[in-house]
Amino acid sequence: DSGVTQTPKHLITATGQRVTLRCSPRSGDLSVYWYQQSLDQGLQFLIQYYNGEERAKGNILERFSAQQFPDLHSELNLSSLELGDSALYFCASSVPPPDSSLYGYTFGSGTRLTVV
Amino acid sequence: QKEVEQDPGPLSVPEGAIVSLNCTYSNSAFQYFMWYRQYSRKGPELLMYTYSSGNKEDGRFTAQVDKSSKYISLFIRDSQPSDSATYLCAMSERYWSGAGSYQLTFGKGTKLSVIP
Repeated sequence: DSGVTQTPKHLITATGQRVTLRCSPRSGDLSVYWYQQSLDQGLQFLIQYYNGEERAKGNILERFSAQQFPDLHSELNLSSLELGDSALYFCASSVPPPDSSLYGYTFGSGTRLTVV
Repeated sequence: QKEVEQDPGPLSVPEGAIVSLNCTYSNSAFQYFMWYRQYSRKGPELLMYTYSSGNKEDGRFTAQVDKSSKYISLFIRDSQPSDSATYLCAMSERYWSGAGSYQLTFGKGTKLSVIP
């Protein structure tokens, strides 16, 4: 167990629907990162939050949005779903400085989204 | 040219072989280099982390960074079937951006199979 918790593990939904993926970071981690992983694209960075504030945006579609709550958990909202949105969605968290020995992200086990 | 290039494989080796996994990159500002291991349907887990050029060894794993050539490698000695996974390289420009985070850029991953 990495300490990063993602729910649900699996999600099957129809095109046009909206889903919410949830992530709880490791205790003490303030940054949360969302990634999408598909077979042909590898890990694609979507968005990052630090202590409740959006810090960076990657290749996130306008149909997708996210937020980080005061208790530091984060939710990724995917709407108007298309077949091509089927992928693994990972959340990761990272330790704030100065503990450089813990550099690197810790990933959750992911949510597998299937759009039919 | 992508920022980080990684041969996707697949790479198949017999048990006990030495495995060499590589990434090249174009951004000379990258200073922090990591290798992640991802088992099927699981989240990536951090294997090795190195700063700047040089070697780092951890058990059967050795990470090498050659910044002059913009080339990093991961060597696995005495490979085991349990090493069968996808290996992703990742790198970052700085330890802490001042915006409460740092950004990792990932390679697409190399799928490794170690045959008993």
